[in-house]
Amino acid sequence: DIVMTQSPDSLAMSLGERATINCKSSQNVLYSSNKKNYLAWYQQKPGQPPKLLIYWASTRESGVPDRFSGSGSGTDFTLTISNLQAEDVAVYYCQQYYGTPYTFGQGTKLEI
Amino acid sequence: QVQLQESGPGLVKPSETLSLTCSVSGGSISSYYWMWIRQPPGKGLEWIGHISYSGSTNYKPSLKSRVTFSVDTSKNQFSLKLNSVTAADTAVYYCARGAVAGIVGWFDPWGQGTLVTVSS
Repeated sequence: DIVMTQSPDSLAMSLGERATINCKSSQNVLYSSNKKNYLAWYQQKPGQPPKLLIYWASTRESGVPDRFSGSGSGTDFTLTISNLQAEDVAVYYCQQYYGTPYTFGQGTKLEI
Repeated sequence: QVQLQESGPGLVKPSETLSLTCSVSGGSISSYYWMWIRQPPGKGLEWIGHISYSGSTNYKPSLKSRVTFSVDTSKNQFSLKLNSVTAADTAVYYCARGAVAGIVGWFDPWGQGTLVTVSS
């Protein structure tokens, strides 16, 4: 199985600051034939299902504010949230869809 | 847009079978892969497996001996059965769609989730 490890487990920030969440995969999730990283980021608020933010490691889903950005390649990835807003309080998960079983990071709880 | 809704019993006795159905509205079940994912209370997300519109399945190895998926294209529904449940199977169960037709891709959209508690 590809193990996804996020850091930190939790993050306490202030309004307007920039948050950085890291995700490391135990195996490369970059598919050589198409040069795409098979990694997604989700946001989960209490009592709600996860919401897709980013796919292909850096492609923002339609409707997601441009304060959210994804970067990285291979085994190391980052979700950056700029100009933090109160509504960004949530748990954030990375997920690889490179190979089964598809796996998620343990989650990073963002507090403001 | 496509919407998913899970349904099924919220309480299952230990050793019995958990059965859930996911109803798909606003789009066809064809051409996509359909997921089951679960989340124990206060914990992270676990992919259980997926089924294609044609019925091919892929299960998480650690659950493979207990889980069965099925699809009913006429009803635009797919289902999960997990047998011999224990308290460790207590979780919110989500259904979701693989976002890209023909491959799995990321998961979007998701259903709202349904809490299943295993208890006598």
